Amino acid sequence: EPEVTQTPSHQVTQMGQEVILRCVPISNHLYFYWYRQILGQKVEFLVSFYNNEISEKSEIFDDQFSVERPDGSNFTLKIRSTKLEDSAMYFCASAKGPNTEAFFGQGTRLTVV
Amino acid sequence: KQEVTQIPAALSVPEGENLVLNCSFTDSAIYNLQWFRQDPGKGLTSLLLIQSSQREQTSGRLNASLDKSSGRSTLYIAASQPGDSATYLCAPEVGAGSYQLTFGKGTKLSVIP
Repeated sequence: EPEVTQTPSHQVTQMGQEVILRCVPISNHLYFYWYRQILGQKVEFLVSFYNNEISEKSEIFDDQFSVERPDGSNFTLKIRSTKLEDSAMYFCASAKGPNTEAFFGQGTRLTVV
Repeated sequence: KQEVTQIPAALSVPEGENLVLNCSFTDSAIYNLQWFRQDPGKGLTSLLLIQSSQREQTSGRLNASLDKSSGRSTLYIAASQPGDSATYLCAPEVGAGSYQLTFGKGTKLSVIP
């Protein structure tokens, strides 16, 4: 069964460093998302991406964050200068279209020290 | 802003019992609602998607209902098994041109053998 794949599963980085989280969405999906979950808290929306541009972003998704679809298969989230409060599980999701079932990856646990 | 509440926060039942998980949301103008399960430290597994025009959706031992006008959804699990132990998350898709999911804190289910 097709699935969303995220790498790495766990990343530790020093405060102020740049990180790139990678995702391979399901191949025939057109809508892509990033969510995050701080330990013990709700899953929160970060950004949605369609047709090679951001379609929506939350207040969390400030200038330190960016997304890219560098080729036909990968979808990346970059955090330019990490802060301690960026420590969280980051989930990538994809969907065939609007109003359709969203499928999530297994997540990348980011730890900023 | 959409707010999602899930009751109860935690539930412990003996194996074989039928159970109901509740979800309420404040903004009824949703496109659809998805139920997920999350195992500890893992990603989100989609269980069911109910479109706003539907009242119910079934998958195996799971049945989800949606009462959009009153802002409620329930997930019914029949003949619970220890493998059902997980956190169950409800997530309406916001609507009004937005396709982001808003999550509740979840119900942590423990099924005792």
